[in-house]
Amino acid sequence: EAGVTQFPSHSVIEKGQTVTLRCDPISGHDNLYWYRRVMGKEIKFLLHFVKESKQDESGMPNNRFLAERTGGTYSTLKVQPAELEDSGVYFCASSLRLAGQQFFGPGTRLTVL
Amino acid sequence: AQSVTQLDSQVPVFEEAPVELRCNYSSSVSVYLFWYVQYPNQGLQLLLKYLSGSTLVKGINGFEAEFNKSQTSFHLRKPSVHISDTAEYFCAVSLMNRDDKIIFGKGTRLHILP
Repeated sequence: EAGVTQFPSHSVIEKGQTVTLRCDPISGHDNLYWYRRVMGKEIKFLLHFVKESKQDESGMPNNRFLAERTGGTYSTLKVQPAELEDSGVYFCASSLRLAGQQFFGPGTRLTVL
Repeated sequence: AQSVTQLDSQVPVFEEAPVELRCNYSSSVSVYLFWYVQYPNQGLQLLLKYLSGSTLVKGINGFEAEFNKSQTSFHLRKPSVHISDTAEYFCAVSLMNRDDKIIFGKGTRLHILP
């Protein structure tokens, strides 16, 4: 069974540009989560989808970040326009049920120059 | 609010020596406790978890952790490390019976010395 996959693995963009990160959860997992680790800091929760609905988006830093999960399968996280402080590693996780074990992807390393 | 403190950002240890990675947490409500590991160029992998019951939890790869409620600690231990244990280790909590978000510590890099 395939695990959680994320694309791209690395992205380098300039300040002001737009970047879209993609996450494919484990098949059948209704719950999908986004986390972010800014350099030198802890991994922080961004938001949680249950199927296509946003269950909790309390961790989204500002309105430059837009997450979608159309059809309840894969999810995208768009940053527009990107700022220097958005650099970091973006992790996606999925779980079969609420409060179930979250399985993490390898992350996308975003560098904003 | 909940928080997780990992006291050591880096821990060097000789191969086959024992290791302890320290973790303390702060929460006004009951939490579940986790240790995750991130090997180089890989995603986060669950090492072990404490939900309830016995305070000594055994995980994969010979690791174990002990939940100490009075000291609000959840230290990770291994009696003899191997070079393959080189990784970053994250202590984390989530709220019991509430939202699903995981709250992580800053991580501890374990360096195994030959």
